[in-house]
Amino acid sequence: AQSVTQLGSHVSVSEGALVLLRCNYSSSVPPYLFWYVQYPNQGLQLLLKYTSAATLVKGINGFEAEFKKSETSFHLTKPSAHMSDAAEYFCAVTATGANNLFFGTGTRLTVIP
Amino acid sequence: EPEVTQTPSHQVTQMGQEVILRCVPISNHLYFYWYRQILGQKVEFLVSFYNNEISEKSEIFDDQFSVERPDGSNFTLKIRSTKLEDSAMYFCASSEIGRNTEAFFGQGTRLTVV
Repeated sequence: AQSVTQLGSHVSVSEGALVLLRCNYSSSVPPYLFWYVQYPNQGLQLLLKYTSAATLVKGINGFEAEFKKSETSFHLTKPSAHMSDAAEYFCAVTATGANNLFFGTGTRLTVIP
Repeated sequence: EPEVTQTPSHQVTQMGQEVILRCVPISNHLYFYWYRQILGQKVEFLVSFYNNEISEKSEIFDDQFSVERPDGSNFTLKIRSTKLEDSAMYFCASSEIGRNTEAFFGQGTRLTVV
């Protein structure tokens, strides 16, 4: 079975500070991992994905994530937070042999001016 | 840029009524999905659909739910007899065939059962 755990349901950072959103996964097979962002009253937008190529994945809006098999982690980072980054972020993993996604509980990012 | 579109954006229905949520997936995609997000909770997988049949479904997707691709463009989710706990945001998604392709999500339909 596949699952992800996101540590911290709420994260607050100052504008310009480092953003770090944590995601740990559990998978019986090599996983494909995703980060999605949800802005208020909008759908889910893909930020980036890991598909067994490079372990450091760069996404849109300056975000990146590193796949660490030894730590079963796929944390999302951004060097400098912007006010427009305020949103809900979801980590997700694929299931074996299927395309459906298993999502984490989400982390709400607040950016303080 | 191609996108998944969902209608309506918000639907209010009385408990016990049937409701149909509609989605138009991206035209060259072959896998279609429904997910739901109860307010304040995580996004949950309901069902995936490929080649005109359900390929996988979660335990949430019981006999009250059904999906259909009535024509070449629409993909619908029907809830036969809505309950209060069906109130949620329902997301449609589609993807190209292949495990490493991402799902593109629609804007969602907020279903409120009263």
